[in-house]
Amino acid sequence: ELKVEQNPLFLSMQEGKNYTIYCNYSTTSDRLYWYRQDPGKSLESLFVLLSNGAVKQEGRLMASLDTKARLSTLHITAAVHDLSATYFCAVDIYNDMRFGAGTRLTVKP
Amino acid sequence: DTAVSQTPKYLVTQMGNDKSIKCEQNLGHDTMYWYKQDSKKFLKIMFSYNNKELIINETVPNRFSPKSPDKAHLNLHINSLELGDSAVYFCASRDYWNTGELFFGEGSRLTVL
Repeated sequence: ELKVEQNPLFLSMQEGKNYTIYCNYSTTSDRLYWYRQDPGKSLESLFVLLSNGAVKQEGRLMASLDTKARLSTLHITAAVHDLSATYFCAVDIYNDMRFGAGTRLTVKP
Repeated sequence: DTAVSQTPKYLVTQMGNDKSIKCEQNLGHDTMYWYKQDSKKFLKIMFSYNNKELIINETVPNRFSPKSPDKAHLNLHINSLELGDSAVYFCASRDYWNTGELFFGEGSRLTVL
């Protein structure tokens, strides 16, 4: 069974600092996704990583994928309060899309 | 024009009752899902349909019955509701042969008293 592990599960950061969220998965897959969820809201897609070595950047967030290590990272640069949310990675094997437990990020001034 | 819409957004009901949640997508996707998000924010896949055919049926009590009348609609019926069914239920759709990302509905918050 496909397992997806994220860490840390909780992250409290100061504004302006950098940090990385890690996502490990147990079975070969070439596609990995990152989603953001604000409190009380739905999930929105942040990044789609479709091949080994893929790197995507949007603002202060950068995601990468290493399929050989079965590892994806979400790097936060110079955090701002607006980035406070829960971030999920997800991996799919033939339509079976599994999510990590989520990382609840709080950015403090 | 909402891409994935769910109704109702909120349900409050007593134990033992039956309830349904409806989902519709206008993105032309072939694949639709139901996920359950519990109070700890964990997202559990429940069912997936591809072009009206059930392709994923996770270990879910058989009180939960999905139904897809066509590829744009996926409904969820729950019989004999229990306290543990309280959660947010998300519908999602995707184009597997494109980027494959999920597009989520707004969620339906079910509270069982």
